[in-house]
Amino acid sequence: DIVMTQSPDSLAVSLGERATINCKSSQSVLYSSNNKNYLAWYQQTPGQPPKLLIYWASTRESRVPDRFSGSGSGTDFTLTISSLQAEDVAVYYCQQYYSSLTFGGGTKVEIK
Amino acid sequence: QLQLQESGPGLVKPSETLSLTCTVSGGSISSGRYYWGWIRQPPGKGLEWIATIHYSGTTYYNPSLKSRVTISVDTSKNQFSLKLSSVTAADTAVYYCASAIDNTPFDPWGQGTLVRVSS
Repeated sequence: DIVMTQSPDSLAVSLGERATINCKSSQSVLYSSNNKNYLAWYQQTPGQPPKLLIYWASTRESRVPDRFSGSGSGTDFTLTISSLQAEDVAVYYCQQYYSSLTFGGGTKVEIK
Repeated sequence: QLQLQESGPGLVKPSETLSLTCTVSGGSISSGRYYWGWIRQPPGKGLEWIATIHYSGTTYYNPSLKSRVTISVDTSKNQFSLKLSSVTAADTAVYYCASAIDNTPFDPWGQGTLVRVSS
C-alpha cells in the first residue's frame, strides 16, 4: 500500500493569511505514461462528506475558489490556501489514486 | 447532477454482517465511465477506502478488508451495495458511498450514514 503522510496535523492561521499543508507519499504517484500525478485534495467540514478540491495534484475543481491551489510531483505535494477565509475552517485530506486508494491522516485548519 | 444516498441499519451486532445500499439519482449506474465506491470514517478519525465497482462487475477491494467485504451493483434499481461480515466495534463508522469518472477521485459523495457495532 502507498502510505500518505500529511503535515502538520493542525494549524491555526489568521484570516487573510496563507495556509500551507504538506502531503508525502511513500512511493511516487506520478504515472510516467501520461505525466500525471494521481493525487487529490479534499475538504471536509463538520458533519459533511469530503468535498473534492483538487485532482491531478494541481487541477482545481470548477466550483472551487482560486485561493486554493495544489502543487508538487512524485512524492511531495502541497495544498495552499492563499488568503484564509472563515469558511475554509475544515479538515483537509490528500488522497492517492495511483495504486488502490489511500488517504492521508488529515490536517485541521483553524482561525488564529 | 448525480446524487447518492446511503441507506441501511444504524446498529449492527458484533459478528454479524453490515449491509448498506447506495441509491443513485440524476444518472445511470450503468454509465460506462462511472465507478462506484464505499469509504468509511470512524468517529473523529480519518478516511478509509473500502471497495469500488464498475457496473460491468469489475471490483476493487482494500486489501486490509478484502476477506470480509462484498460490493455489488443492481442496475435495475440503480443501486450498489456493500456487505461487511464479522463486524466488530472497530467497524463503527460513518459509511459514505461515492462515484468517480474513469481514473479520477471520488466526487460526489453521499451524505454518509453512521453504523454502530454494538450488542
